[in-house]
Amino acid sequence: DTAVSQTPKYLVTQMGNDKSIKCEQNLGHDTMYWYKQDSKKFLKIMFSYNNKELIINETVPNRFSPKSPDKAHLNLHINSLELGDSAVYFCASRRGGFYEQYFGPGTRLTVT
Amino acid sequence: DAKTTQPNSMESNEEEPVHLPCNHSTISGTDYIHWYRQLPSQGPEYVIHGLTSNVNNRMASLAIAEDRKSSTLILHRATLRDAAVYYCILINAGNMLTFGGGTRLMVKP
Repeated sequence: DTAVSQTPKYLVTQMGNDKSIKCEQNLGHDTMYWYKQDSKKFLKIMFSYNNKELIINETVPNRFSPKSPDKAHLNLHINSLELGDSAVYFCASRRGGFYEQYFGPGTRLTVT
Repeated sequence: DAKTTQPNSMESNEEEPVHLPCNHSTISGTDYIHWYRQLPSQGPEYVIHGLTSNVNNRMASLAIAEDRKSSTLILHRATLRDAAVYYCILINAGNMLTFGGGTRLMVKP
């Protein structure tokens, strides 16, 4: 059983398109996250979200929006894709407090 | 967020112990020290965490300096599968993980 899963694993699309990446966790965790890992391999937090609160990294363009249909899912929607959005996107979840985060396998997004 | 400093890369021989250092001189009293690693083409994986005392689990040991300004992740017997980028991260009350560059560990057979 995969604890944190993401779909699709690979996504190739053209500039200007709108796309979504899905994330699901079956751990019963309260908080979910999205991270972006660029070509230089730096991991940057994009969003932190639980049922009560969305925390946005202020450097994230408003073309990116998290959508959570329920506690187990946090999808990432991206409008008007740009070349610079090409990266690997990771979803993660955490139980609470200072416990560890569990990461998904990543979605490699390529914008052409 | 308090920053951490790690060497860019380290090498180890297989089946030898590895000590991965991390400096966090601006750590606050409520910051937990977490270690994650990222194997090639995979998502980050939790390794261990601690606050003040040394910690052991099935993957590694974490040695925390008495003044908490540095810590060391110890892999007791490195294997080829331990080759990865290891990240030392401070977690505050807001619990947003801020990853630095990490240490790329290379394990030689």
